[in-house]
Amino acid sequence: DQQVKQNSPSLSVQEGRISILNCDYTNSMFDYFLWYKKYPAEGPTFLISISSIKDKNEDGRFTVFLNKSAKHLSLHIVPSQPGDSAVYFCAARASGNTGKLIFGQGTTLQVKP
Amino acid sequence: GAGVSQSPSNKVTEKGKDVELRCDPISGHTALYWYRQRLGQGLEFLIYFQGNSAPDKSGLPSDRFSAERTGESVSTLTIQRTQQEDSAVYLCASSPGTGYTEAFFGQGTRLTVV
Repeated sequence: DQQVKQNSPSLSVQEGRISILNCDYTNSMFDYFLWYKKYPAEGPTFLISISSIKDKNEDGRFTVFLNKSAKHLSLHIVPSQPGDSAVYFCAARASGNTGKLIFGQGTTLQVKP
Repeated sequence: GAGVSQSPSNKVTEKGKDVELRCDPISGHTALYWYRQRLGQGLEFLIYFQGNSAPDKSGLPSDRFSAERTGESVSTLTIQRTQQEDSAVYLCASSPGTGYTEAFFGQGTRLTVV
């Protein structure tokens, strides 16, 4: 069963506009949600996270929103830059505090100059 | 070390052979994770180490897969009698401890079974 889902395999936006990447989850016991960015031939790098007790976290151009009732989170990038082009993974921390992360399938973002 | 280091970066092996993948975590990180990413899919959890013990092996796909960690440092993932479906990028991550939310990933080992 896919506990974390990213239903859009790809997204293309124009430079300077907003990018919105979406993620849905099924397990209400997840206590932390993270976004990772991955360039080809590199490992994922941490981008931003949010605790389940919050509904928004902002870091520069990146903002993550959490809607617990809908079991939905989104990553907003504004303004988008060509260097943001990468695969973005949504991840959730499993209960039990082991640090184990459950990942979505990823969304490939292309920011066009 | 400065970051998580994995070796080899690429490995091509014949079906039925055994392979060993190595991970050097960030120095001082007590938690270590192995994940697998098959083509077009997300990251799939394999195993988690806290120190040298593995309290969660739930993601290992079969008994052909095993992993160990020594000296609370280096970890080796071994795949015996490799099959074509084992072809994937194997990623290692480490973090300072289990209460830490962010994990730091290595660049991965691309395994191709022919």
